[in-house]
Amino acid sequence: DSGVTQTPKHLITATGQRVTLRCSPRSGDLSVYWYQQSLDQGLQFLIHYYNGEERAKGNILERFSAQQFPDLHSELNLSSLELGDSALYFCASSVGQGAGNTIYFGEGSWLTVV
Amino acid sequence: GQNIDQPTEMTATEGAIVQINCTYQTSGFNGLFWYQQHAGEAPTFLSYNVLDGLEEKGRFSSFLSRSKGYSYLLLKELQMKDSASYLCAVPGGATNKLIFGTGTLLAVQP
Repeated sequence: DSGVTQTPKHLITATGQRVTLRCSPRSGDLSVYWYQQSLDQGLQFLIHYYNGEERAKGNILERFSAQQFPDLHSELNLSSLELGDSALYFCASSVGQGAGNTIYFGEGSWLTVV
Repeated sequence: GQNIDQPTEMTATEGAIVQINCTYQTSGFNGLFWYQQHAGEAPTFLSYNVLDGLEEKGRFSSFLSRSKGYSYLLLKELQMKDSASYLCAVPGGATNKLIFGTGTLLAVQP
């Protein structure tokens, strides 16, 4: 158990809908990261927050947004869902924000869009 | 930008030793990570190398050559539970966003 908590673990929804994935980082960690992993692709970096502020963005779609709250938990919002958004979404956390901080992953949220 | 190459698949025998290679290209080096990921599960941290050389941690060791842009993960005394994907990753620049390779799927056979 990494200490990173994600909910829900599984989610099935229809195309066009909107979902919110939630993440609580490890105790003491200020950084939160979101990754997407599809069946035919590796881990794709989406976004990084540190202490409530956005620090880096990857190839995150405009339909996707995220934020980190004052209590350091984070939410990833996915809207106008398409079949291709079906994937495993991981949240990860680390103590700091600089390169070289080890990041620890949560168990992931399985999203299926039908 | 960053580019990472790893073999797609490898097969090894229980009890043997296997070496999983990773080559990388990055603008500005800030270390290299190895993670293990069982199918459908979270990646788990194995090692972090920032200086050249070999670092040993139990049955797993990781090697880095910065001049060659090369790393390998060495797994000794292979067990069936070591069947997993092994992911090589480097930080994307000064920020800590990890850029992952596509991973090497290791199958350990009896």
